[in-house]
Amino acid sequence: SAVISQKPSRDICQRGTSLTIQCQVDSQVTMMFWYRQQPGQSLTLIATANQGSEATYESGFVIDKFPISRPNLTFSTLTVSNMSPEDSSIYLCSAGTTIEQFFGPGTRLTVL
Amino acid sequence: AQKITQTQPGMFVQEKEAVTLDCTYDTSDQSYGLFWYKQPSSGEMIFLIYQGSYDEQNATEGRYSLNFQKARKSANLVISASQLGDSAMYFCAMREGSDSWGKLQFGAGTQVVVTP
Repeated sequence: SAVISQKPSRDICQRGTSLTIQCQVDSQVTMMFWYRQQPGQSLTLIATANQGSEATYESGFVIDKFPISRPNLTFSTLTVSNMSPEDSSIYLCSAGTTIEQFFGPGTRLTVL
Repeated sequence: AQKITQTQPGMFVQEKEAVTLDCTYDTSDQSYGLFWYKQPSSGEMIFLIYQGSYDEQNATEGRYSLNFQKARKSANLVISASQLGDSAMYFCAMREGSDSWGKLQFGAGTQVVVTP
């Protein structure tokens, strides 16, 4: 099973600022995924990050707002740009195999 | 259209009893995978069990089993001998297609509270 770590675990930010979330996997993986979980809601996929190419964004999410980097097979970052209170959520990184998909512990973001 | 439907927003279950969490899915793909996750109040997503669309046997992992009824497009999770630590939100998710690395689509979740 893959062990996924994320930094920071939580943060409180001012509106208009940006936060970069780091995700580290303990083994090489082809795809990494970034999800958002708004308060009391289910998980929604933001984008899929493939090493060596641009991330693929889901409907409603754009690169200018959520730029993603994937410099190697074990690491990815998600930036939440120009934040507003509506961005307050848990952001989760995910990776895995065909039959297992693991998640990092999440980053709890509060935007004031 | 909703791909994953979890119709039970919340459930109470007594300790040591079994509980079934419902999940139905919608896909036209022949190859797909179904996942169940547990999310305690700490927020982490804990992978519980996986069922592939071509798997002939229902998946089991310890106290967790998946009641897979392909024709009905249902993948219910059964937790046997509930424990207080099972209190959490439970999510059903699906990965469609033959692309093994595809994204997961989640249901709305079911909140389970285990009582003494």
